[in-house]
This record gives sequence, structure tokens and C-alpha cells, in this order.
Amino acid sequence: DGGITQSPKYLFRKEGQNVTLSCEQNLNHDAMYWYRQDPGQGLRLIYYSQIVNDFQKGDIAEGYSVSREKKESFPLTVTSAQKNPTAFYLCASSMRPRQPQHFGDGTRLSIL
Amino acid sequence: QQPVQSPQAVILREGEDAVINCSSSKALYSVHWYRQKHGEAPVFLMILLKGGEQKGHEKISASFNEKKQQSSLYLTASQLSYSGTYFCGTEDAGGTSYGKLTFGQGTILTVHP
Repeated sequence: DGGITQSPKYLFRKEGQNVTLSCEQNLNHDAMYWYRQDPGQGLRLIYYSQIVNDFQKGDIAEGYSVSREKKESFPLTVTSAQKNPTAFYLCASSMRPRQPQHFGDGTRLSIL
Repeated sequence: QQPVQSPQAVILREGEDAVINCSSSKALYSVHWYRQKHGEAPVFLMILLKGGEQKGHEKISASFNEKKQQSSLYLTASQLSYSGTYFCGTEDAGGTSYGKLTFGQGTILTVHP
């Protein structure tokens, strides 16, 4: 079955530590996205990539980094510079930019 | 700037209708609608691309008034399965935001038996 796989489902970060959230898709989609969702709020775009080896900052990119070396993979690193990382992180993909986005099941990140 | 959704929450009985609105301060290229159930990933409902366009998905339909920079989602004869949080995502016109969606804060819809 085609879909988007995010791992891990739950992640705990210590102070000063970088952590990486995985996002893999087997839908052959060109575009991929990372969103952050805080309780009772909408989705805020962190980074997006329209094609392999290219990505753009979203609205809240500070303290995060990404790479897009393969079409199917778009990992997100939450760096120690992100002072308030506790949130639900959602990865999405679409066939092309501007097409419907399909979401993974999310990773819930908490601070230890 | 994120689009504004109204109302923030709505409670219905099965079979009742509801309208959820999404307004932007910017000219829009498109509006996407998604539904998210508690603890789950958002699920795509529909995209509206042109002014005045109306689309349907089962008993859920939507309109997009390009001139007013607004979209409305219509849920008719609601079912228990319609419960969840509805989000609109907008893409600005003008080309600088190609493929980039900005989401509203969400509308919580609860359907009771």
C-alpha cells in the first residue's frame, strides 16, 4: 500500500540535543512538506520541497533544518536552537506542488 | 498572515446542516479543505481553484468567491462521522507562494446522535 511513513511516533529530546524526525513516502510524489501543530491550533509550515535537492523555508523555519537527497525521503532535524520544540509534527506530500496533500500519522515531540 | 475561519466551533445533531467559512486578507489562487479527527492526520476533502467554483464530495460541498477572498464549506445532513476539526489552507495568488499553503486555526465540528 502506498503512503507516508513517519517515525518515530513519540520522541523525547533532552536540552541541547538535536533530534531527527523521519518521513518516507512511496507515492512517487515530487513535493514534500513539514508542518508543526500546537494544541488547538492550525498547521504551520516549517519547510517544503518541490523537487529533489531543493527546499524552501516556510513560515517558522528557525531552529529546524531539512534535506531532500532522495525523492522518497524528507527528514526534519529539530536543533537545539529551537527553544520550544514540544509539538505534533506532520509530514505531507503531493504529486506536484498545488495538488492535494497526503499526510503521515505524525510524530509527537516532547522535552525531557 | 493566516486565513480566519468561523465559527471556531459548532455542535450539531445528526441530520443537521453546517457552514464553515474561511476568509483571507490576500488575493488567493486556491483553497484546500481538510478534516482532522482527534489524534489523527488531516485528510484531504477538496481543492477549489477558480472564482465562484463549487465542488462536492458526498454531502460535503464548498464554494470559492475569488473576489471576496472567501471560501465556505457546506455540510448537509450531517453524520456522526463528520465530527472532527476542519481546516482551510490557502495559497496566495501572485506566484511567490507557489505550492505553499497557509492554514486557518480550524473549526471544531461535533455531531451528536
